[in-house]
Amino acid sequence: GESVGLHLPTLSVQEGDNSIINCAYSNSASDYFIWYKQESGKGPQFIIDIRSNMDKRQGQRVTVLLNKTVKHLSLQIAATQPGDSAVYFCAENTLSGNTGKLIFGQGTTLQVKP
Amino acid sequence: DTAVSQTPKYLVTQMGNDKSIKCEQNLGHDTMYWYKQDSKKFLKIMFSYNNKELIINETVPNRFSPKSPDKAHLNLHINSLELGDSAVYFCASSHIQMGNTEAFFGQGTRLTVV
Repeated sequence: GESVGLHLPTLSVQEGDNSIINCAYSNSASDYFIWYKQESGKGPQFIIDIRSNMDKRQGQRVTVLLNKTVKHLSLQIAATQPGDSAVYFCAENTLSGNTGKLIFGQGTTLQVKP
Repeated sequence: DTAVSQTPKYLVTQMGNDKSIKCEQNLGHDTMYWYKQDSKKFLKIMFSYNNKELIINETVPNRFSPKSPDKAHLNLHINSLELGDSAVYFCASSHIQMGNTEAFFGQGTRLTVV
């Protein structure tokens, strides 16, 4: 079936520490994965994406890791800042016959302590 | 410039009423979506239109009727509102013809049915 889930609903980290948010997916046909950040009262905002032919992709302070063997991806945020406090979603899509439909995970709330 | 804008931002209405939410994107995208976010922050796709044609219609009550007058607009009309319709509704757009499945989201419309 289709499902994308996250291991922890809430993650609390100290400012300056690194954060790791995990996500598990079940659809082996998914070949495109995105991380979104949603701040309070706003819509989801694109952070970084990765295609299934890659296992790692880096952005500014963020890294996404994809392990297709165990259907797991993670978002690493370096030197977490108060502005990183938000709900983080992983989402999956299938590029073949692409309809643009995203299947979202449940979301992890990241709380950054000063 | 707002990429994806939806109105209203807040909507409080009584059960049984009919209401509409409007969405416009100025990104030149070919595909627009409506997602529903429940009280637990779970995001699920409802509808998708590609070049004004319906391509995704998830299991949504037929009280919900999307309308796309042109590629830049996708409105959502809801008849006979029920308490369970209370949620945040997000409009999004992407350009799937270009193979780019990153979706840009609006700010959301918080619908409260009383």
